[in-house]
Amino acid sequence: SQKIEQNSEALNIQEGKTATLTCNYTNYSPAYLQWYRQDPGRGPVFLLLIRENEKEKRKERLKVTFDTTLKQSLFHITASQPADSATYLCALNGQNFVFGPGTRLSVLP
Amino acid sequence: DAGVIQSPRHEVTEMGQEVTLRCKPISGHNSLFWYRQTMMRGLELLIYFNNNVPIDDSGMPEDRFSAKMPNASFSTLKIQPSEPRDSAVYFCASSLAQPDNSPLHFGNGTRLTVT
Repeated sequence: SQKIEQNSEALNIQEGKTATLTCNYTNYSPAYLQWYRQDPGRGPVFLLLIRENEKEKRKERLKVTFDTTLKQSLFHITASQPADSATYLCALNGQNFVFGPGTRLSVLP
Repeated sequence: DAGVIQSPRHEVTEMGQEVTLRCKPISGHNSLFWYRQTMMRGLELLIYFNNNVPIDDSGMPEDRFSAKMPNASFSTLKIQPSEPRDSAVYFCASSLAQPDNSPLHFGNGTRLTVT
């Protein structure tokens, strides 16, 4: 069956460190993968998109990788700040737009 | 741009009542999505429209749920009759036409509580 998993429900890291979040999928062949941020009481907000033929994408302190062989995407936040605390969701285009369960990131000062 | 606008923000109703959730997508966006989010099941796609036409409603839980998009600037999600297990946050999102790599723009959701 089709499945999207994100590495852990919650991740705590110290301010200034790099946060690494994982998205794994099964029985999908997405042409691209997207990452979103969701704050409490708000809808998800788009951050980055990476296509199947791209290995890596960067935007400011954010970096995304996409390995179609491993069926995995990694999302990195470098020099993390308390303001980066949120839930991060990966999404891919299977038959339609499907989201992973999310990882709640807490950056501790 | 005002973004995707959903109303109401909160809805509390009794079991058996009809509930109507409303959404105004971003002007110029051709695709509209309805999602439901719960702690247990995460963000689930209920239905999506392209150019006002329902493309995939396989996520609609049962006949109690219906969605319409009478024009490009308005959509409704109706639950009749509502049940306590329908309690969740319902999100509407819009994008440029799918399938595409266009990102989804979400509203801030309607928190529905059915007692």
